[in-house]
Amino acid sequence: DTAVSQTPKYLVTQMGNDKSIKCEQNLGHDTMYWYKQDSKKFLKIMFSYNNKELIINETVPNRFSPKSPDKAHLNLHINSLELGDSAVYFCASSQVTGGGEQYFGPGTRLTVT
Amino acid sequence: QKEVEQDPGPLSVPEGAIVSLNCTYSNSAFQYFMWYRQYSRKGPELLMYTYSSGNKEDGRFTAQVDKSSKYISLFIRDSQPSDSATYLCAFGYSSASKIIFGSGTRLSIRP
Repeated sequence: DTAVSQTPKYLVTQMGNDKSIKCEQNLGHDTMYWYKQDSKKFLKIMFSYNNKELIINETVPNRFSPKSPDKAHLNLHINSLELGDSAVYFCASSQVTGGGEQYFGPGTRLTVT
Repeated sequence: QKEVEQDPGPLSVPEGAIVSLNCTYSNSAFQYFMWYRQYSRKGPELLMYTYSSGNKEDGRFTAQVDKSSKYISLFIRDSQPSDSATYLCAFGYSSASKIIFGSGTRLSIRP
């Protein structure tokens, strides 16, 4: 199936831990994104990469570090997790940067205890 | 003033009703206008996409954009229980950039 996939789907961890979320797309898109969706369903962009190059870096704590080993993968590493990091994290991709037609992954539900 | 405003709902209507979902925006630089649908515990999926003022129809769905008044609407005709989801309006710029999402309206269609 052509799609955007994320692992893991659920992540429960304690404050202070470091964790990573992986994302892969096989749609041949050049641009990938990370979004955070809070408990009120507000979806906010965090990062955008175009062909492994960082394009958008919103006001996100530097505990969050994206890494793009190739244009089909965009991983998110989070250091020193805090309670406020609990949210659903979505990866997405699009044919062109900022393109309206973005394809989203299923999300990773992160719970920090 | 928020850049995008969307009534969070929830909105509950009987099956077969016409549904109207709305967003207002303040940024005149927005050039394209979208509606995404998000089922529970799933990622958003693009439903409608338009550049210009006016109406765009796709099956039971009609997207309406009024740039002069800075609002967009999504109409769903003959609503079905399978339409129950959260609907997010979204806005983009002409230059390669990011999309701004509304906070979503939760819609429930009662059988």
